[in-house]
Amino acid sequence: KNQVEQSPQSLIILEGKNCTLQCNYTVSPFSNLRWYKQDTGRGPVSLTIMTFSENTKSNGRYTATLDADTKQSSLHITASQLSDSASYICVGQTGANNLFFGTGTRLTVIP
Amino acid sequence: ETGVTQTPRHLVMGMTNKKSLKCEQHLGHNAMYWYKQSAKKPLELMFVYNFKEQTENNSVPSRFSPECPNSSHLFLHLHTLQPEDSALYLCASSQDTGVYSNQPQHFGDGTRLSIL
Repeated sequence: KNQVEQSPQSLIILEGKNCTLQCNYTVSPFSNLRWYKQDTGRGPVSLTIMTFSENTKSNGRYTATLDADTKQSSLHITASQLSDSASYICVGQTGANNLFFGTGTRLTVIP
Repeated sequence: ETGVTQTPRHLVMGMTNKKSLKCEQHLGHNAMYWYKQSAKKPLELMFVYNFKEQTENNSVPSRFSPECPNSSHLFLHLHTLQPEDSALYLCASSQDTGVYSNQPQHFGDGTRLSIL
C-alpha cells in the first residue's frame, strides 16, 4: 500500500533553534520525494524534490535528506525564524505519476 | 504571488446552490490540478488536466464538475453539495504530467468552501 507518514504531528521550538521533521514513505515504484511548506491560509510551496539518486538537497536554511534503503526522509531547518511557522508536507511520487501526501507536521516557532 | 490565482478565496453556499470555483495560472504550464484539503487529512487529488484533456478523475462525486477551456484556466462547478464537502479547494499547475516528471507543482492559495 502506497502511503506517507510524517512525525511529529506538531512541534514547537524557540526562534534560532534547529529542528528536524521526519517522513517515512512506502511508494512504489519510487520516482521522487518532495517537501512543501504551507503557511496558514496559503497554498503549499515547493521546497525540495529529490530523486532516487539524490540523498540530500538544500534550499536556503532547509535541507532535505533521503535514504532510499530505509525509505525515510527528513527536513532539517537551521536557525529557525518566526516565518518558518507553517505546516510541512512530505509527498512521495510513483513512477506512474501518482502523488501520495502526508498529513503534515505543524511547526510553531516562538520568540 | 505564486503565479496561480484562485477565486473566490472564500465561499459559503447552501446545499441546493450552484457555484463555480475559478483558477488561472500565469506560468505557461500545460497541466492543472484540483485538490481537496480537509483538516488533519492528506491532500486529495480530484482531477488532472494535461494539455486541456482530463487525464485523471479520482472517483470524485458527480456533484463536482471540472472544466478546462484552455491550459491557463480551470474551473470547478459545484451543485447540490453536502456538508462533508466543506474544505479548502486548491488548484495547482505544473509544466506537464509526463511520467517520471520531477517538476514541482505550483499551488494557488485555495478557496475555503463552507456548505450550510
